[in-house]
Amino acid sequence: GDSVTQMEGPVTLSEEAFLTINCTYTATGYPSLFWYVQYPGEGLQLLLKATKADDKGSNKGFEATYRKETTSFHLEKGSVQVSDSAVYFCALLYNQGGKLIFGQGTELSVKP
Amino acid sequence: GAVVSQHPSWVICKSGTSVKIECRSLDFQATTMFWYRQFPKQSLMLMATSNEGSKATYEQGVEKDKFLINHASLTLSTLTVTSAHPEDSSFYICSARRGGPYNEQFFGPGTRLTVL
Repeated sequence: GDSVTQMEGPVTLSEEAFLTINCTYTATGYPSLFWYVQYPGEGLQLLLKATKADDKGSNKGFEATYRKETTSFHLEKGSVQVSDSAVYFCALLYNQGGKLIFGQGTELSVKP
Repeated sequence: GAVVSQHPSWVICKSGTSVKIECRSLDFQATTMFWYRQFPKQSLMLMATSNEGSKATYEQGVEKDKFLINHASLTLSTLTVTSAHPEDSSFYICSARRGGPYNEQFFGPGTRLTVL
């Protein structure tokens, strides 16, 4: 079945460091791909998305490119801030029924 | 943006009792709501999908008689954990969607259930 695999956390970075969180997926057909962020004590928020191959989603300095050839959707940010500390989830939208399938989440901690 | 609330945010109950969790879409009508369960350091697992006015569709392995879902209106869905046991302790998250399957889901903040 369809699945999403993320790199394990926690990831600890210093402020202004470069961030990459790897995400790969297995799916039949052509799913849409998402990154969600969960700040402490809050619900999941959509960070960015891409709906077809080679699309690049971007928001708040974060970017991810839908790579069909490598079945990947890695999240990147050039310079992280303390306020980016959160748990990040990669997800795909299952073609049938509109169900989201999530990766296991990656906790990011950014130190001043 | 669209806001989804959950109540309560946390609950502690005794084994054998039932607990009801509410999920509300505050500023939009949600034709579909989803219930997820999240274990510590793990992913969100979809439990069931509910459409307003119809029976919920449960994922494989989820006991529908234990986790009762009611989606009585376009702004409210409830999850009742019946005869709760310690293994039901978890973080329960709902999401709500307006319109078709490719529309964005908006997530509630979650409810922490602890069964003693």
